[in-house]
Amino acid sequence: GAVVSQHPSWVICKSGTSVKIECRSLDFQATTMFWYRQFPKQSLMLMATSNEGSKATYEQGVEKDKFLINHASLTLSTLTVTSAHPEDSSFYICSARDGARGSNTEAFFGQGTRLTVV
Amino acid sequence: ELKVEQNPLFLSMQEGKNYTIYCNYSTTSDRLYWYRQDPGKSLESLFVLLSNGAVKQEGRLMASLDTKARLSTLHITAAVHDLSATYFCASDTDKLIFGTGTRLQVFP
Repeated sequence: GAVVSQHPSWVICKSGTSVKIECRSLDFQATTMFWYRQFPKQSLMLMATSNEGSKATYEQGVEKDKFLINHASLTLSTLTVTSAHPEDSSFYICSARDGARGSNTEAFFGQGTRLTVV
Repeated sequence: ELKVEQNPLFLSMQEGKNYTIYCNYSTTSDRLYWYRQDPGKSLESLFVLLSNGAVKQEGRLMASLDTKARLSTLHITAAVHDLSATYFCASDTDKLIFGTGTRLQVFP
């Protein structure tokens, strides 16, 4: 099956610093990747959709200058949380669609990254 | 704007009992997914429902989809403790939107 690898699994950073999270599709080409944020005991909230080679589409209320998304290749998307603050502490999950199977196929999920900002 | 709602939000049930979780979504979608999430973990795909009337079963879980009613159900049969987790449905148009989640606790 399709595998999506997310790194790191957890990270602790100081307030004001930036953190980069990577999402890789290991055995397929991901033309579309999604980034979600999940606060404790809540659902997954879609932050943005990224398509390879183009700018990400952000959901309403998500600051694009704070959450920088880069999808430079068909197997890698990165989310950078800039100038992180404690309220950015959350569980971040990426998912990816296999572009070879069409635009609306099942999305596969990474393992998630738990970010704690102190 | 696509909205996906689940009911109930929290479910505590005794082992051996049956129960159904409901998932309503607000706009036309032919694809509905069910996921399981254990504490501190990412999502585990349970079912992919691709057409109206689709029914899938795996062990004690059975999922169905009614696209006309915009309703999907996840039925639990003879619950066991190992099923304790949070269950999410997600509706898929050009992006995957998740339901509110149902936290299931199965006790002896």
